[in-house]
Amino acid sequence: GENVEQHPSTLSVQEGDSAVIKCTYSDSASNYFPWYKQELGKRPQLIIDIRSNVGEKKDQRIAVTLNKTAKHFSLHITETQPEDSAVYFCAAKYGGGADGLTFGKGTHLIIQP
Amino acid sequence: EAQVTQNPRYLITVTGKKLTVTCSQNMNHEYMSWYRQDPGLGLRQIYYSMNVEVTDKGDVPEGYKVSRKEKRNFPLILESPSPNQTSLYFCASNEGGTTEQYFGPGTRLTVT
Repeated sequence: GENVEQHPSTLSVQEGDSAVIKCTYSDSASNYFPWYKQELGKRPQLIIDIRSNVGEKKDQRIAVTLNKTAKHFSLHITETQPEDSAVYFCAAKYGGGADGLTFGKGTHLIIQP
Repeated sequence: EAQVTQNPRYLITVTGKKLTVTCSQNMNHEYMSWYRQDPGLGLRQIYYSMNVEVTDKGDVPEGYKVSRKEKRNFPLILESPSPNQTSLYFCASNEGGTTEQYFGPGTRLTVT
């Protein structure tokens, strides 16, 4: 089955700086890579996703890049703000399969004022 | 309002006492899943369902059962709960394929 590794487990950045979270996956058949944000005590919520036919996707301050050859994808947050503090999870799946997402173990992002 | 609901939100029980956590979605989604979330381990899939009466095991199915008798409902059953099932449980639904998974609010279960 799929295995997703996520690094770092904790990331502390100064407000206004950029943050980068990296994930690798093992199954070359995976073709869907979402990122979820989970605030304390709340449910995970999708913030951005990318499919394997695209190398990069951007939504305002958030971007995701995908390198299928290296089986590697990353989340980039620019101009970080206090409300970006949360746990971020990457995930992967094969879109043609019925099963759910395989998640990384999460990154706790801390925005220092 | 499109949503996934779970009940109960919090539950403290004792070892061996059967319990059911309900999950319901109002988006007419084909696919539903159960995950458990543990510190340092992320979210791990327990069971999933691709339609009524069609279910399959995820990565950590031991000690759990599910059923899908109606499209909107996907209950999680613990026949004989044990302390290692103490966790935060999330139900999720989506249309299938590479569509967004919508998560319920979570159920925090403690087994003593």
